[in-house]
Amino acid sequence: DQQVKQNSPSLSVQEGRISILNCDYTNSMFDYFLWYKKYPAEGPTFLISISSIKDKNEDGRFTVFLNKSAKHLSLHIVPSQPGDSAVYFCAASGNNQGGKLIFGQGTELSVKP
Amino acid sequence: DVKVTQSSRYLVKRTGEKVFLECVQDMDHENMFWYRQDPGLGLRLIYFSYDVKMKEKGDIPEGYSVSREKKERFSLILESASTNQTSMYLCASSAPGGATNEKLFFGSGTQLSVL
Repeated sequence: DQQVKQNSPSLSVQEGRISILNCDYTNSMFDYFLWYKKYPAEGPTFLISISSIKDKNEDGRFTVFLNKSAKHLSLHIVPSQPGDSAVYFCAASGNNQGGKLIFGQGTELSVKP
Repeated sequence: DVKVTQSSRYLVKRTGEKVFLECVQDMDHENMFWYRQDPGLGLRLIYFSYDVKMKEKGDIPEGYSVSREKKERFSLILESASTNQTSMYLCASSAPGGATNEKLFFGSGTQLSVL
């Protein structure tokens, strides 16, 4: 049972435009959400997070939006740059997860010059 | 910066071999995790540990075991490697307590091929 889902395996965006990556979850006990970025042959690196008490968190070009009623979060990258090309993983955690992170399948973003 | 080091970037093993994947972190983190990454499946948790000598099963522990004899080191063991264990293995660590304990720091990964 996939508790965290990223339904788009890939996304292609033109440089300078907005990239929107989506993530859905099923477990209403999740209260903390994170996005990780992964380049080939490297481990994932933390990008941005959001607590369930917020609906938006912004860090430079990256903004994460959380819609608790829809159990949906999204990552916006504005403006997109070729260096943003990577696989992005959504992850969730909650009190009933014992501190573990549950990851989605990942979305491969390609930003074309 | 937190450094999580995995001993091998690439490994090729034969079916039935016993395989050891080693992971060391240098930030005195209590929590350590082993994930595997497969296309279309994302990262799946194999085992984790919140303290020395302690281990907990993750979502896919079958065919694996772990060892945590020292705080900084967490080893993943494939008792008898099989071809379906060909995967990218990722070790991670985190500090306990508060909202930041969910923030994992990952190693670079070990690409294991079982022939």
